[in-house]
Amino acid sequence: QKEVEQNSGPLSVPEGAIASLNCTYSDRVSQSFFWYRQYSGKSPELIMSIYSNGDKEDGRFTAQLNKASQYVSLLIRDSQPSDSATYLCAVILGNNDMRFGAGTRLTVKP
Amino acid sequence: GAVVSQHPSRVICKSGTSVKIECRSLDFQATTMFWYRQFPKQSLMLMATSNEGSKATYEQGVEKDKFLINHASLTLSTLTVTSAHPEDSSFYICSATRTSAIYEQYFGPGTRLTVT
Repeated sequence: QKEVEQNSGPLSVPEGAIASLNCTYSDRVSQSFFWYRQYSGKSPELIMSIYSNGDKEDGRFTAQLNKASQYVSLLIRDSQPSDSATYLCAVILGNNDMRFGAGTRLTVKP
Repeated sequence: GAVVSQHPSRVICKSGTSVKIECRSLDFQATTMFWYRQFPKQSLMLMATSNEGSKATYEQGVEKDKFLINHASLTLSTLTVTSAHPEDSSFYICSATRTSAIYEQYFGPGTRLTVT
């Protein structure tokens, strides 16, 4: 089992819809979780961090964490074409190493 | 805050030569810096982790004699690809963490290396 797993996509949603990106992790003692956005040919950009169970909202983005299910997700409300990118889930493992998922490619169609 | 720069942004070199890439934290002191490599349509692969004044810790399978990392100060780390070969052509990205938030990594813009 991979340490951090994401569906590679592509995930396609129409403009204005909610995009839901999912990530699972294998290390039960992981405590810190991050979502990065990476545009094609560019480096990743941190968009959300979450450390506690539940939801964390920041503008159109909501991160959701369920440690019991080892699951973290990112919701993007009112999706815009400019949200089209690859979204990387990152997890701090119990040994303090950060591991990235392979990323989910999101396309928002006008 | 938390701006990381890299130089150069693109470099083309001939096989057998060495290339140095610089990574700087511009507005904060970086506790730790990381070096990643990313091949097209693949995820980030961590190459090594470095702390200022210490030897870098390399991931399994990364040749430390080929990828030399120097972390001379809290704002500068360098990666030197020695005796580069075409298979080293990739997107090299550094990241840095702040003392106040040791798990939040801020990435530089990346360096695209092409070895001919």
